[in-house]
Amino acid sequence: SQTIHQWPATLVQPVGSPLSLECTVEGTSNPNLYWYRQAAGRGLQLLFYSVGIGQISSEVPQNLSASRPQDRQFILSSKKLLLSDSGFYLCAWSGGGRPQHFGDGTRLSIL
Amino acid sequence: DQQVKQNSPSLSVQEGRISILNCDYTNSMFDYFLWYKKYPAEGPTFLISISSIKDKNEDGRFTVFLNKSAKHLSLHIVPSQPGDSAVYFCAAKGRDSNSGYALNFGKGTSLLVTP
Repeated sequence: SQTIHQWPATLVQPVGSPLSLECTVEGTSNPNLYWYRQAAGRGLQLLFYSVGIGQISSEVPQNLSASRPQDRQFILSSKKLLLSDSGFYLCAWSGGGRPQHFGDGTRLSIL
Repeated sequence: DQQVKQNSPSLSVQEGRISILNCDYTNSMFDYFLWYKKYPAEGPTFLISISSIKDKNEDGRFTVFLNKSAKHLSLHIVPSQPGDSAVYFCAAKGRDSNSGYALNFGKGTSLLVTP
């Protein structure tokens, strides 16, 4: 069966510090991968999606970037975090006509 | 630009009664709709979906209705149970190249089922 892992679960970072969140999927190959953010009081906003290694599409301009160095690995990064980057970050995968499945998320707090 | 709208941020229902969660959308290119359930500190889990070629899909206690002319869908839970208390997200997926890979989510409705 397919599983998705996201870490860390919780992260507290100072403004201006870098960020790296990692997501990996097991049990499937060539999945579509997604990064979403849920800010306080808002719905899930798609940040990036990837249909293959090295292929990244950005949905909104922002302080973040994404990379897919391996088929089942998706990384969300920032060089300098802003206060507005606080939120709940979710990684998801889809494939084979199935609905998107989400990881358990990372709660990011910027101080 | 919110293309999927859940206008009720919260809903409280008594155990055993029906819960009805509503969702409206604006993009006529959406052709597939999903409901996700989310508990605190967890990722959303897929609940039920419906294609635009149907107007109803049922799975146990959960039924989703789609009214394409009104661009409206609803999730019915009957009978409601305390374990159904969670945030429910409506999501839609479109045929056009810009949205074909991603889901557009509403802001969610927090359901509380009281004993």
